[in-house]
Amino acid sequence: GQQLNQSPQSMFIQEGEDVSMNCTSSSIFNTWLWYKQDPGEGPVLLIALYKAGELTSNGRLTAQFGITRKDSFLNISASIPSDVGIYFCAGQGNTGNQFYFGTGTSLTVIP
Amino acid sequence: DVKVTQSSRYLVKRTGEKVFLECVQDMDHENMFWYRQDPGLGLRLIYFSYDVKMKEKGDIPEGYSVSREKKERFSLILESASTNQTSMYLCASSLPYQPQHFGDGTRLSIL
Repeated sequence: GQQLNQSPQSMFIQEGEDVSMNCTSSSIFNTWLWYKQDPGEGPVLLIALYKAGELTSNGRLTAQFGITRKDSFLNISASIPSDVGIYFCAGQGNTGNQFYFGTGTSLTVIP
Repeated sequence: DVKVTQSSRYLVKRTGEKVFLECVQDMDHENMFWYRQDPGLGLRLIYFSYDVKMKEKGDIPEGYSVSREKKERFSLILESASTNQTSMYLCASSLPYQPQHFGDGTRLSIL
């Protein structure tokens, strides 16, 4: 199946720092999603992007749909301990109903 | 709010057993999905279904089967469990072409 390259694989940051992560695909996507998975829980949708160039915020989170439609970015400003978790990107192309997921970025915030 | 409920949070079974993982959603979603999640590999799609009695293989269907007799319920079956099927299993549902909503997962151990 389609593979999304998500980086970095893991991050260890101090509380208050900003975080950036990204996701790239070999194919063009029409929709990009960002999910967060808390320890022991299922992934929860954070942000959905539907148009190339779109920039969307959800509190301290901001995500962008890359202009080439082959990448997406997630930024977290002023991190706090509850930001800890695994962040997944997901993309949907022209062929069918399916979303493809990245391998995840594990975020650790040090108080 | 969408609710996707997986029948067990933790399950321990023996090699060779037939194992059933159940998933129920309460939002009348057409699409349902089963993933497994392993460290460093992200979410890998096992099977999905777009309608009752309909199923499609995902990226890693070997050793698994599924059943969708009712719209709200999607079952994953391990025909003869093996130790390499020890993993976290996530169920998801969605409307067509819309973001997926996940359950909290079943952590399955095969001894």
